[in-house]
Amino acid sequence: DSGVTQTPKHLITATGQRVTLRCSPRSGDLSVYWYQQSLDQGLQFLIQYYNGEERAKGNILERFSAQQFPDLHSELNLSSLELGDSALYFCASSSGTSGGLPWNTDTQYFGPGTRLTVL
Amino acid sequence: AQSVAQPEDQVNVAEGNPLTVKCTYSVSGNPYLFWYVQYPNRGLQFLLKYITGDNLVKGSYGFEAEFNKSQTSFHLKKPSALVSDSALYFCAVRDTILTGGGNKLTFGTGTQLKVEL
Repeated sequence: DSGVTQTPKHLITATGQRVTLRCSPRSGDLSVYWYQQSLDQGLQFLIQYYNGEERAKGNILERFSAQQFPDLHSELNLSSLELGDSALYFCASSSGTSGGLPWNTDTQYFGPGTRLTVL
Repeated sequence: AQSVAQPEDQVNVAEGNPLTVKCTYSVSGNPYLFWYVQYPNRGLQFLLKYITGDNLVKGSYGFEAEFNKSQTSFHLKKPSALVSDSALYFCAVRDTILTGGGNKLTFGTGTQLKVEL
């Protein structure tokens, strides 16, 4: 168990709908990341937040948005859903520090994922 | 852009034999390399990482990885495979400050490891 929790575990919805995926990072971790895993695209980075602020953006569609709240949990909002959005969505967290090493050497720990099925 | 390549979609090994899962990388600056494992219907579990120092990195569950700068490789190894090691293995590289990509991981396509009795 990584200590990262994600809800819900499974989500089935229809095209055009909007859903919210939730992530709680490991205790003490300041960074939260969202990744999408699909058969055709593999594992792709979507977005990163650090202590409430957006730090980096990857291949995230304009229909998708995310935020990190003061208690450090994060939500990924997916709207106007299309069939191609069906995928496994992972959240990961990291401390944001590396004990004197460069800041981007800390380890990301992944949650169990939310499997989204768009019908 | 930073990238990693996993040239084998699948690796088959007999239980008790040594295993190697290959990974090569392309980065600008110092490479920060990671291995993760994914069991069916589960999240990714961290195995080990190379940041600096010894080229042989030891990780969880008896796995180790050898960093080779001249060959730009970071192969995952285990001296004696177990059936329970059967899973999907991902190599990943971390963006460096030079590329300004934050802390994101760029993953390889994954290698399915099958350990048979």
